[in-house]
Amino acid sequence: NAGVMQNPRHLVRRRGQEARLRCSPMKGHSHVYWYRQLPEEGLKFMVYLQKENIIDESGMPKERFSAEFPKEGPSILRIQQVVRGDSAAYFCASSPRPVGNQPQHFGDGTRLSIL
Amino acid sequence: GDSVTQMEGPVTLSEEAFLTINCTYTATGYPSLFWYVQYPGEGLQLLLKATKADDKGSNKGFEATYRKETTSFHLEKGSVQVSDSAVYFCALSDPSTGNEKLTFGTGTRLTIIP
Repeated sequence: NAGVMQNPRHLVRRRGQEARLRCSPMKGHSHVYWYRQLPEEGLKFMVYLQKENIIDESGMPKERFSAEFPKEGPSILRIQQVVRGDSAAYFCASSPRPVGNQPQHFGDGTRLSIL
Repeated sequence: GDSVTQMEGPVTLSEEAFLTINCTYTATGYPSLFWYVQYPGEGLQLLLKATKADDKGSNKGFEATYRKETTSFHLEKGSVQVSDSAVYFCALSDPSTGNEKLTFGTGTRLTIIP
């Protein structure tokens, strides 16, 4: 399966711990988007990255959240000192180009639960 | 900023009924419009898209027409099946932003009963 791969599928953390979510884009895709879906809500854009660059982080909370997409390896969304309100499904999507009406391909998401 | 307003759910229909899910948008540029479908426990799958005014996107019996004059992109299907039960999201991307980040509606949960 050459689709977008996210892991883990489910992640449980206690308040104050760190959460690391990983996303491997589709083969040949160098543009990655992260979205957050709160319960019973739509997806909200968080950050857009290309290899080694953050292009648009206008949807990222200013504190505790960070993202990277290194030259080698998956994109990582990192949440430090998690709080209950971070409980959500986090989806990654990839595309081959920044613009050009290319639809994004989504992974199955990581469901983060904070105890 | 850009926004998408989507018909509130949940929607429950009998099999073979006609489906309409309303979607309207606000955008500063000339957006591309999408419908995504989400099955339980899964990510989003692209259902159909339209990139310019009067385009009609279609897939699996679903259709939506990009109406610039009414800023709408309503989803329709003539005869729904139980397997169509899912959550449907209307979305837009605005290339004038320099990237393809998606702005989503809140989603409409559709349940089809036999």
